[in-house]
Amino acid sequence: QKEVEQDPGPLSVPEGAIVSLNCTYSNSAFQYFMWYRQYSRKGPELLMYTYSSGNKEDGRFTAQVDKSSKYISLFIRDSQPSDSATYLCAMSAGLGAGNKLTFGGGTRVLVKP
Amino acid sequence: SAVISQKPSRDICQRGTSLTIQCQVDSQVTMMFWYRQQPGQSLTLIATANQGSEATYESGFVIDKFPISRPNLTFSTLTVSNMSPEDSSIYLCSVVGTSRQETQYFGPGTRLLVL
Repeated sequence: QKEVEQDPGPLSVPEGAIVSLNCTYSNSAFQYFMWYRQYSRKGPELLMYTYSSGNKEDGRFTAQVDKSSKYISLFIRDSQPSDSATYLCAMSAGLGAGNKLTFGGGTRVLVKP
Repeated sequence: SAVISQKPSRDICQRGTSLTIQCQVDSQVTMMFWYRQQPGQSLTLIATANQGSEATYESGFVIDKFPISRPNLTFSTLTVSNMSPEDSSIYLCSVVGTSRQETQYFGPGTRLLVL
């Protein structure tokens, strides 16, 4: 079993809909939870990160962490065709130097105009 | 966040040859990492590039196959040696800035095809 599980999709939604993404994990040492967006033929771009349990909002993006369930989510409101990309969750036991990221497999999202 | 560039952006190589990938950052960073992303897969950490000392490799990756250099705080290279078609992948470098609270930022990647 992988340490971080993520549904590969593809997830297809109409423009304006809410995109709901999630990951589950097994390592209780993870404290920091990140979401990256990766466009085709590009490197991953950090969207946001959250420490421990709770919610964090940044514009149209909301990240949620439930450590008791080992479950994290990313919601994208008012989705746009430009949100079409692969979304990767990643997590670590800490931030900064020396803390390795463990990635989920990525979910491919397609927002249709 | 730091601006990261990689060279080459893509290459097609013959089996048995070696390719060196460069990663350049526009500011000093504390740590640099090298990842592999195989087709349709997620990112797998190859090694941590340590400035002034030998790289730290993850399980399944060895220095003879993936030698890494990091001569200063803004530059690192990854060599893929004695390539086979199974090495066809995207290779990405990432960096951690000087702030303790920063997470990792990724370069654009190098797409490698081995024939």
